[in-house]
Amino acid sequence: QFQLVQSGGEVKKPGASVKVSCKASGYTFTNYGISWVRQAPGQGLEWVGWVSAHNGNTNYAQKVQGRVTMTTDTSTNTAYMELRSLRSDDTAVYYCARERGIAVRAFDIWGQGTMVIVSS
Amino acid sequence: EIVMTQSPATLSVSPGESATLSCRASQTVSSNLAWYQQKPGQAPRLLMSGASTRATGIPARFSGSGSGTEFTLTISSLQSEDFAIYYCQQYNNWPPWTFGQGTKVEIK
Repeated sequence: QFQLVQSGGEVKKPGASVKVSCKASGYTFTNYGISWVRQAPGQGLEWVGWVSAHNGNTNYAQKVQGRVTMTTDTSTNTAYMELRSLRSDDTAVYYCARERGIAVRAFDIWGQGTMVIVSS
Repeated sequence: EIVMTQSPATLSVSPGESATLSCRASQTVSSNLAWYQQKPGQAPRLLMSGASTRATGIPARFSGSGSGTEFTLTISSLQSEDFAIYYCQQYNNWPPWTFGQGTKVEIK
């Protein structure tokens, strides 16, 4: 079955970095892109960025541009999101999600979410 | 950036009744519109893409319509498992992909 499994929750101090992983199984990893979406406590969904598992191309939301790096490791079918210079408003559940396809870029498979807490 | 606006914020519905959720885009997104369902403590689940195409395993009581800037998700004969928060999302212009703020469907 198609699945994305994310790494565990993290607690970080302001200014630190966090790296979240997202391991894919059940499908050909390099045929799809992975987006990262976050959800602050009690809030809605916010798209953070996208990485192509085919060629590593990326596209980031302006809000995190310069602080985020998204990568993939095709040898382990894993996507990563690193967020640096963490601020309190980065506190959120971070989801990875597979984009269904080039023509239909809806998110059809989601990871279980990784809680990232930024607190001094 | 395309702003997605959902209405109402909360919809109170009795089981067995139908619910109509609206989503408006600040500029045209063609039919590049998805709907998601999210229950507490869970990841979102894709319900609909292309504005009206149900995702795999989604019951026929869920239907979507619209194109351009106005979209509707209709849930007919609400079941207990349908009470959740629903988000629309455009994937026509990026960055960024943008979501609506959500509509909570609650039991009346």
